[in-house]
Amino acid sequence: AQKVTQAQTEISVVEKEDVTLDCVYETRDTTYYLFWYKQPPSGELVFLIRRNSFDEQNEISGRYSWNFQKSTSSFNFTITASQVVDSAVYFCALSEGDYGGSQGNLIFGKGTKLSVKP
Amino acid sequence: DGGITQSPKYLFRKEGQNVTLSCEQNLNHDAMYWYRQDPGQGLRLIYYSQIVNDFQKGDIAEGYSVSREKKESFPLTVTSAQKNPTAFYLCASSIGMGTPVSGNTIYFGEGSWLTVV
Repeated sequence: AQKVTQAQTEISVVEKEDVTLDCVYETRDTTYYLFWYKQPPSGELVFLIRRNSFDEQNEISGRYSWNFQKSTSSFNFTITASQVVDSAVYFCALSEGDYGGSQGNLIFGKGTKLSVKP
Repeated sequence: DGGITQSPKYLFRKEGQNVTLSCEQNLNHDAMYWYRQDPGQGLRLIYYSQIVNDFQKGDIAEGYSVSREKKESFPLTVTSAQKNPTAFYLCASSIGMGTPVSGNTIYFGEGSWLTVV
């Protein structure tokens, strides 16, 4: 069965520190998609990134970077030089199927609450 | 601006009442979804709709109902049969289910808090 595990419930760092959020997934499909969403206190889920199972290249977007390793079924997210505005709950999610989720169902982890202190 | 609008942001319900949460999108997306989020938990799928006049149950559909009469609208009714309705409800949409790789990222609204009093 598909499953997403975010073992870190809460992380607290001081501004400018680097922080890595872990995500481990389980799936029997060979085609699947992985996502990261950010949920600030306002509640809206903000889409950050989507990766398919055939693309293991790491990605960098500004201070954000993602490390996808199929060998360990992990899709970790690193924030470099963290800022107070990065404080939020971050969710990792999995979608299966040839078309990014044949049913559109995202399987979510329980989230990691990141607090960045000034 | 394009996006997904949910209303109301906060809603209080008395036990035994039905309440309806509104979700409207102007992204021209075919697929729409309702998720429920409980404190400290991830999101769970309640219902989804691939196209107008069609919808399917998700993982926790009991006690909920939906309709999809228009492409841009997907209201969720929390019925009195839902035993524990207090939660944060998120509506979402995507270009379409079963569409090619490039198009199926799911985008979310700002959510609605429902509290039973």
